[in-house]
Amino acid sequence: DSGVTQTPKHLITATGQRVTLRCSPRSGDLSVYWYQQSLDQGLQFLIQYYNGEERAKGNILERFSAQQFPDLHSELNLSSLELGDSALYFCASSVAPASGQETQYFGPGTRLLVL
Amino acid sequence: GENVEQHPSTLSVQEGDSAVIKCTYSDSASNYFPWYKQELGKGPQLIIDIRSNVGEKKDQRIAVTLNKTAKHFSLHITETQPEDSAVYFCAASIRSGGGADGLTFGKGTHLIIQP
Repeated sequence: DSGVTQTPKHLITATGQRVTLRCSPRSGDLSVYWYQQSLDQGLQFLIQYYNGEERAKGNILERFSAQQFPDLHSELNLSSLELGDSALYFCASSVAPASGQETQYFGPGTRLLVL
Repeated sequence: GENVEQHPSTLSVQEGDSAVIKCTYSDSASNYFPWYKQELGKGPQLIIDIRSNVGEKKDQRIAVTLNKTAKHFSLHITETQPEDSAVYFCAASIRSGGGADGLTFGKGTHLIIQP
């Protein structure tokens, strides 16, 4: 158990809908990362937040957005869902900002199925 | 951006033999290289990492080597056991004063340990 929790575990929805995925980082971790894992694209970095502020963006679509709240939990919002958005979505957390504390601990993931 | 290539995609070895997985990266600014193990239905779990100021690191049966000049790094698992069967991912990122950026992952290697 990494200490990172994600809810829900599974999510089934329809095209055009909007969903919210939730992540609670390990106790004490300030950074949260979101990743998407699909068969064709592999594991892809979407976005990073550090202490409530957006720090880095990866291959995140404009239909997707995220935020990190004062209690450091994070939410990933996916809107106007398409079939191709079906994937596993992982949250990871790390301590940051000190060097040597960049290990990212991954949660168990949310499996999203868009029908 | 960074691009990480990983080989082979599937590796089958006899129990007790060694396994080697190789990765190359494109961005010379990358300075942090973790390896993750992912079992079915679970999130990636860090097994070992190496920073660019180190050429080799070992942890029991697992070792990682890094060649900065050639921009490649490898994972070595000795005395393989059935529980080593999983998908292994290499990754690369840039560490800065604010912690590591999002990870760029290889496509993964499915390691099969034959009894």
